[in-house]
Amino acid sequence: DAGVIQSPRHEVTEMGQEVTLRCKPISGHNSLFWYRQTMMRGLELLIYFNNNVPIDDSGMPEDRFSAKMPNASFSTLKIQPSEPRDSAVYFCASSRGQTSTDTQYFGPGTRLTVL
Amino acid sequence: AQSVTQLGSHVSVSEGALVLLRCNYSSSVPPYLFWYVQYPNQGLQLLLKYTSAATLVKGINGFEAEFKKSETSFHLTKPSAHMSDAAEYFCAVIVDTGRRALTFGSGTRLQVQP
Repeated sequence: DAGVIQSPRHEVTEMGQEVTLRCKPISGHNSLFWYRQTMMRGLELLIYFNNNVPIDDSGMPEDRFSAKMPNASFSTLKIQPSEPRDSAVYFCASSRGQTSTDTQYFGPGTRLTVL
Repeated sequence: AQSVTQLGSHVSVSEGALVLLRCNYSSSVPPYLFWYVQYPNQGLQLLLKYTSAATLVKGINGFEAEFKKSETSFHLTKPSAHMSDAAEYFCAVIVDTGRRALTFGSGTRLQVQP
C-alpha cells in the first residue's frame, strides 16, 4: 500500500491567500485525522472524520480553517485567509476506525509557510 | 495537569548504549498509550502501543516499553542504540476514546554518538 498521501509537501504563500492541503488516506480506512505541528504547541488534533463525517472539530483554530471529506479517498484542509501564525507542518493520518485504539498511520506532512 | 509528560527534550547516548526515554501519563486518562518516532522531514511512525493487554510491549526496531500503573509511566527502552535510531520520539495517549484523538507529549530528540 502507498500509505497516506499528502500534497503538496511544501507550500509557501503570502498572508491573505487561500491555502488548500490535500490528503488521500489508506484504502479501506474509515477514520481520518488532521494534525498540526508547531514549535510552540507541538502536535495537536485539528479535526477527525469517521466514514466521511466530521466527528470532532474542536481543535480547528477558527473560522478561517475548514475541512471536508467528500468521499472515502480524499480530504482537504483549507485556510482562508492565511496568516503567518498558520505556518506549521500539517499531518493527515488515517486508521481502520473499528476501535478507538486502532493505529493511526501518518502521511509525510505538508510544510506550510505563510509570509 | 498534562495528560502526558516526556522528561527530557534531548537525550544523547553512545552507539551501543541503553536507550531510555521517559513518559509519564495522567492517572485520569484511559491507559491507551503509544510511542511514535519521527525522522527528519517525515511523518510519524508507530513504534508500539499499550491497550490493556500485556504490560511489557515489544515494538519495531528493537524498542519496548513497560506499562507501570503504580508509577503512571510508560518508558521506552532499547538495549543497544544504533546510529539510525537518531530521531524525535513522541509519547501519546488517547484521553477520550470517543474523540479518538491522540494527545502527544512534547517529544524527546534522541542523539546517538558514534
